[in-house]
Amino acid sequence: QKEVEQNSGPLSVPEGAIASLNCTYSDRGSQSFFWYRQYSGKSPELIMFIYSNGDKEDGRFTAQLNKASQYVSLLIRDSQPSDSATYLCAVMDPGGGADGLTFGKGTHLIIQP
Amino acid sequence: DTEVTQTPKHLVMGMTNKKSLKCEQHMGHRAMYWYKQKAKKPPELMFVYSYEKLSINESVPSRFSPECPNSSLLNLHLHALQPEDSALYLCASSRGPGADTQYFGPGTRLTVL
Repeated sequence: QKEVEQNSGPLSVPEGAIASLNCTYSDRGSQSFFWYRQYSGKSPELIMFIYSNGDKEDGRFTAQLNKASQYVSLLIRDSQPSDSATYLCAVMDPGGGADGLTFGKGTHLIIQP
Repeated sequence: DTEVTQTPKHLVMGMTNKKSLKCEQHMGHRAMYWYKQKAKKPPELMFVYSYEKLSINESVPSRFSPECPNSSLLNLHLHALQPEDSALYLCASSRGPGADTQYFGPGTRLTVL
């Protein structure tokens, strides 16, 4: 059974600070990792994807992947109140087939003005 | 353009009704997905279509019947649903099997009375 673990929070961060979100996964063969943001009542919106060990930066967002330790993280710099949402970590199964995503339960992030 | 559209946005149905959810994308994607999301839970994979063929059925009850008429359209036919089937139904698409990013539609909020 594939598992993706996230701290459900809520994680409260002051405006302007760095928010750090973490995720671990159980299947060592997993290859592709995604962070989605979901506002209440809305559908998931892709924030970042990462395939290789190390860091990947896109604007205020940085995804970090460590396959040896089986964890993925998302850093949000200069946090804004509009970043308040649930952040879902998702893992795509290995094997190359048209597999779906396995999601973690999500971390509820609150940016305090 | 990374748009996936879903209709209707909201649906209320009785347990004896038959209804259908529709999903459409014009990005040339060849893999399409149905997910179910209950309140405060992550999305759960239901079905995967790859090149218009059903490739994954995650042991979904037969009262849910998927259909992929062509590469741009995905339907979910509903019949004799139960109140516990009330949820947000999300459609997603990606370029193809084992490909990268899945893009989600806005979802259909289903209520079964």
